[in-house]
Amino acid sequence: GAVVSQHPSWVICKSGTSVKIECRSLDFQATTMFWYRQFPKQSLMLMATSNEGSKATYEQGVEKDKFLINHASLTLSTLTVTSAHPEDSSFYICSAPRDRVVTEAFFGQGTRLTVV
Amino acid sequence: KQEVTQIPAALSVPEGENLVLNCSFTDSAIYNLQWFRQDPGKGLTSLLLIQSSQREQTSGRLNASLDKSSGRSTLYIAASQPGDSATYLCALTGNQFYFGTGTSLTVIP
Repeated sequence: GAVVSQHPSWVICKSGTSVKIECRSLDFQATTMFWYRQFPKQSLMLMATSNEGSKATYEQGVEKDKFLINHASLTLSTLTVTSAHPEDSSFYICSAPRDRVVTEAFFGQGTRLTVV
Repeated sequence: KQEVTQIPAALSVPEGENLVLNCSFTDSAIYNLQWFRQDPGKGLTSLLLIQSSQREQTSGRLNASLDKSSGRSTLYIAASQPGDSATYLCALTGNQFYFGTGTSLTVIP
């Protein structure tokens, strides 16, 4: 099956610093990638849709200036949490559909972000 | 907007028992339905994918069904084992993925 790699798997950072999370499709090209956030014991909440070569589409309530998304190539999307605060601590997961019509999801391993 | 609900939210069963997890959705205009497993602090592992034109899929002790007309899917786990303990999520694909609220399963040895 298709593989999506997410890095890092966990990160601890100080308040006020920025953290970059990478999501790569290893054996297929992904024109679209999705970024999710998951709070403890809750389901995945879609944050934004990353589109290769164009601006990301953010869900309502998600601050685009805080969660910067860049989809520079067909195999890489990055999420940068800027000026991180403790309330940004969460589990972040990316996913990529293999084809343009979203039919099957391949997920990264997730990134546990802890802001201290 | 698509809404996906999973019942029950939590389930605890003795080892060896057969069980059913439920997933209901409001909009039948879906492409596929996918069941995932998530272990604590981990990413998602795909279990079964049911395409929109299909009614069920089977993999080992797992069987998933899809009834678009009633807006329901079920995941059947036969002869449950302690290693099955995890959170199970269903997700529907339309123009994006819509995730259910999850069912936390504990299988007691």
